[in-house]
Amino acid sequence: QQQVKQSPQSLIVQKGGISIINCAYENTAFDYFPWYQQFPGKGPALLIAIRPDVSEKKEGRFTISFNKSAKQFSLHIMDSQPGDSATYFCAAIPNSGGYQKVTFGTGTKLQVIP
Amino acid sequence: SQTIHQWPATLVQPVGSPLSLECTVEGTSNPNLYWYRQAAGRGLQLLFYSVGIGQISSEVPQNLSASRPQDRQFILSSKKLLLSDSGFYLCAWSQQGKLFFGSGTQLSVL
Repeated sequence: QQQVKQSPQSLIVQKGGISIINCAYENTAFDYFPWYQQFPGKGPALLIAIRPDVSEKKEGRFTISFNKSAKQFSLHIMDSQPGDSATYFCAAIPNSGGYQKVTFGTGTKLQVIP
Repeated sequence: SQTIHQWPATLVQPVGSPLSLECTVEGTSNPNLYWYRQAAGRGLQLLFYSVGIGQISSEVPQNLSASRPQDRQFILSSKKLLLSDSGFYLCAWSQQGKLFFGSGTQLSVL
């Protein structure tokens, strides 16, 4: 029940295309869903986050879509660029837990080819 | 602004040797601190977290230990490294609903 299932494991997208990464969860106590971006040899960095009271959040080329009834959320990267090539992790945090109770997805390695 | 320092960046250690990784946070007080491990091509595994000086919680049984001797200092240790301890170790801190990672230490146990 604590798992967050992330797919695909890897993704290759042409420059200018849309990258889509999906996550699904079971625990209805999760109420904060951040996405992290990690470049090789570096620590993950917070990219964008959403709470379940909204269905979509957009920051620049990055958009989170959230479907509370389906318990799914996804990251869309519009106009993907080679500089977006990185590993992306979704995460979920319960309303009573804080980050000591965070559950991460297994990651998606994105490669954007010119 | 807040910054997190983690060192060393890379470390190669023989099996059975001790380990000490250090992490310090600047620009904030009383942060929650975390140690994560990331195996090659894998997700993030929470090893330890701390909500205050001397307060350590362990998430998984293992060959490692953690200590928090000062408010903004978090140390990961081992008395005798195993091959399975190899991985990418990340220190992190959280405050006001956000989690921030250090740059990581790539540990290779040979």
